[in-house]
Amino acid sequence: GAVVSQHPSWVICKSGTSVKIECRSLDFQATTMFWYRQFPKQSLMLMATSNEGSKATYEQGVEKDKFLINHASLTLSTLTVTSAHPEDSSFYICSARTPGGTNEQFFGPGTRLTVL
Amino acid sequence: AQTVTQSQPEMSVQEAETVTLSCTYDTSESDYYLFWYKQPPSRQMILVIRQEAYKQQNATENRFSVNFQKAAKSFSLKISDSQLGDAAMYFCVIGANSKLTFGKGITLSVRP
Repeated sequence: GAVVSQHPSWVICKSGTSVKIECRSLDFQATTMFWYRQFPKQSLMLMATSNEGSKATYEQGVEKDKFLINHASLTLSTLTVTSAHPEDSSFYICSARTPGGTNEQFFGPGTRLTVL
Repeated sequence: AQTVTQSQPEMSVQEAETVTLSCTYDTSESDYYLFWYKQPPSRQMILVIRQEAYKQQNATENRFSVNFQKAAKSFSLKISDSQLGDAAMYFCVIGANSKLTFGKGITLSVRP
């Protein structure tokens, strides 16, 4: 149980275009999902917390107009990178927390974004 | 706010031997959890072991065990009988206020 999927697994886009990444909880309902960014051989940095039915909470320094997050259902959160630039190239990982109080998160397999 | 420190960027262990990965953390929260996550070359994050801060007993999970020293805010991971499949990046993580804070990670290599 507690499987999280992401789509696509990798994407290449041109500078100035927008890219949408989907995160789904496959076998449980996730009221809260999280989006992380990871640079090569570095740690995960939390970008935002996505709450079903409400606005996302962004971490300090993350541009909310650039990284649009929508959590329209209990099993789906999306991250849209708007007007992407080469510096947005990175590995994006989502996670979901199961109901309960353990703080454990289940992670998706990640999406590698390359902006040309 | 929470901080996690993993001071060793890399470690190496001989297959079948034991290795300990160190971690210290800081938090003002009284209610928190500690985790070790593994990230193999596939980059899929995998939970290795979890420790509730209110429990004194150290968590164990097959070949993996922790040494949780709450007063010292230390949370080390011991891997026994290391296997080639243990080679990965390991992150020490603290969970508090519904968020996870990651350490910088340590790359573990296993020598055959």
